Amino acid sequence: AQKVTQAQTEISVVEKEDVTLDCVYETRDTTYYLFWYKQPPSGELVFLIRRNSFDEQNEISGRYSWNFQKSTSSFNFTITASQVVDSAVYFCALSANQGGKLIFGQGTELSVKP
Amino acid sequence: DAGVIQSPRHEVTEMGQEVTLRCKPISGHDYLFWYRQTMMRGLELLIYFNNNVPIDDSGMPEDRFSAKMPNASFSTLKIQPSEPRDSAVYFCASSLAGGLNTQYFGPGTRLTVL
Repeated sequence: AQKVTQAQTEISVVEKEDVTLDCVYETRDTTYYLFWYKQPPSGELVFLIRRNSFDEQNEISGRYSWNFQKSTSSFNFTITASQVVDSAVYFCALSANQGGKLIFGQGTELSVKP
Repeated sequence: DAGVIQSPRHEVTEMGQEVTLRCKPISGHDYLFWYRQTMMRGLELLIYFNNNVPIDDSGMPEDRFSAKMPNASFSTLKIQPSEPRDSAVYFCASSLAGGLNTQYFGPGTRLTVL
């Protein structure tokens, strides 16, 4: 069975703090993809990153960085110097078959206070 | 380029009424997905199409739900008759060549059944 767990339901930080959102996944497939999506208060789902199971290199995009570790089945997301505009619900998701079912975690609600 | 378009953005209806949600995928994308988001169940896949053909409808909750994709640029999700427990946000997403590629989501339709 495939599963994504985001153990942190809510996180609250003060602006400029760094924050890490945890994601742990389960799959028996050897080929799979991991995703992060952002859902701001306006409600849309915004794609942030896609990572395949054969590429464990960390990735940095501006203030965002992702740490993928197959040994611990984790794909964590760090926001450096958080800003109020980062306030949103963040979803980690897994896709492990060609068809395309995305398995989502329950989401982590991040609140960044000024 | 235009993203995934959904209409209506908000729908309020009374129990027993028929509801039709509409989606226009990104031009050129050959996969289309319908998801539902609720507080209790999170984000869950209802059905997906490949080249206008339904591939997996195992997530459709019951016979009251039906989905069609008459052509590559249009899909509908119909609920008949609607019930209060159908109240949720319904998202449409599209991708090129399946779920291992990035799914881009529409803005969602917030459905309220009174």
